Amino acid sequence: AQSVTQPDIHITVSEGASLELRCNYSYGATPYLFWYVQSPGQGLQLLLKYFSGDTLVQGIKGFEAEFKRSQSSFNLRKPSVHWSDAAEYFCAVGAGDYKLSFGAGTTVTVRA
Amino acid sequence: SQTIHQWPATLVQPVGSPLSLECTVEGTSNPNLYWYRQAAGRGLQLLFYSVGIGQISSEVPQNLSASRPQDRQFILSSKKLLLSDSGFYLCAWSGASGAEDEQFFGPGTRLTVL
Repeated sequence: AQSVTQPDIHITVSEGASLELRCNYSYGATPYLFWYVQSPGQGLQLLLKYFSGDTLVQGIKGFEAEFKRSQSSFNLRKPSVHWSDAAEYFCAVGAGDYKLSFGAGTTVTVRA
Repeated sequence: SQTIHQWPATLVQPVGSPLSLECTVEGTSNPNLYWYRQAAGRGLQLLFYSVGIGQISSEVPQNLSASRPQDRQFILSSKKLLLSDSGFYLCAWSGASGAEDEQFFGPGTRLTVL
């Protein structure tokens, strides 16, 4: 079965600084990979997804992620964070069986 | 466009009472439907999913059950709530065209069992 690890539970970053959130997955074949964002008390919103093709994926809100098969990683990046980026971020992997496995999430705090 | 609704938004129930959470999707047909529970610091736990009316798959054995009485309606139930049932419950849907479809989430229901 597939699984996802988000090594960082909490990250604090200054407004305007760059952000990188780590995601490692375990799956035997090429997975379907997703990043979601959740604001407090809200549902999850899809930021971006990777199925195949170009390994650098652009998403909404200025986020991008890079799929690295050799490292089994799908890290999320943003060049310059805004205070509104404070939220919880989830990486998810799908194996083509209609289900997604989610990581435990990374909480991002943005300081002024 | 597609929308997903959940109600109620918040719920406080005593231990041993029944539960019924409802999820409805609009603007799509034959969606795959999902119930997740989110506990603090534990990410999302898939509870049930359904690929069609009357077809329910359970991922975690517990005192919860799910039903899909209509194509775009998914209900999460319990006959007797436990303290451990407290959490944030999320409903989601995905397209039936392929397993690679992303899931779209509802606003969630905050359940507190006292």
